[in-house]
Amino acid sequence: AQTVTQSQPEMSVQEAETVTLSCTYDTSENNYYLFWYKQPPSRQMILVIRQEAYKQQNATENRFSVNFQKAAKSFSLKISDSQLGDTAMYFCAFMKHGSGATNKLIFGTGTLLAVQP
Amino acid sequence: ETGVTQTPRHLVMGMTNKKSLKCEQHLGHNAMYWYKQSAKKPLELMFVYNFKEQTENNSVPSRFSPECPNSSHLFLHLHTLQPEDSALYLCASSPRGQGANIQYFGAGTRLSVL
Repeated sequence: AQTVTQSQPEMSVQEAETVTLSCTYDTSENNYYLFWYKQPPSRQMILVIRQEAYKQQNATENRFSVNFQKAAKSFSLKISDSQLGDTAMYFCAFMKHGSGATNKLIFGTGTLLAVQP
Repeated sequence: ETGVTQTPRHLVMGMTNKKSLKCEQHLGHNAMYWYKQSAKKPLELMFVYNFKEQTENNSVPSRFSPECPNSSHLFLHLHTLQPEDSALYLCASSPRGQGANIQYFGAGTRLSVL
């Protein structure tokens, strides 16, 4: 069974600074997807970034980038130039490739990020 | 706004009540999901529907009864719930093809069972 671990329940960063959120996972699969989702106080879960395990290049989306270390089963999220609107709960998630009809997402417990002015 | 709408936003019910949660998506997706989000715990997948057919029931108690009349609507019927069922219930949808692994979430229904 796959598991996702986020070891930082809470983090804080100053506006305009850079912060890194950690995520590790356990799987025996070779091909899979990894995600970071953001859940602001509005509660709507929003996709931040996605990584396909067969791609060695780290995914980037504007100020968000990941450090994907497949051998170490590590998938951290770096937020550059932090903004107040980045304040949210961040969830790391795993999906086995070819999940077919299920597309089952396995989530971590989340990291609450507070961006301070 | 992700295109997935859930109603109501908040719901308080007694253990003997019957209520329903509604989810609607206008994204043309064919798969829909129910998740339960409890404090300090990972999101738990409850049910998955593809083209209106249930393809996953993650050992959910029968007091939760899903219904998917078409690919755009998903309901979760609730009856004789327990206080430990209090949680945020999230609905999600996903498309076919290459984007099938990306799920789009609603804002959830905050359920309190008294």
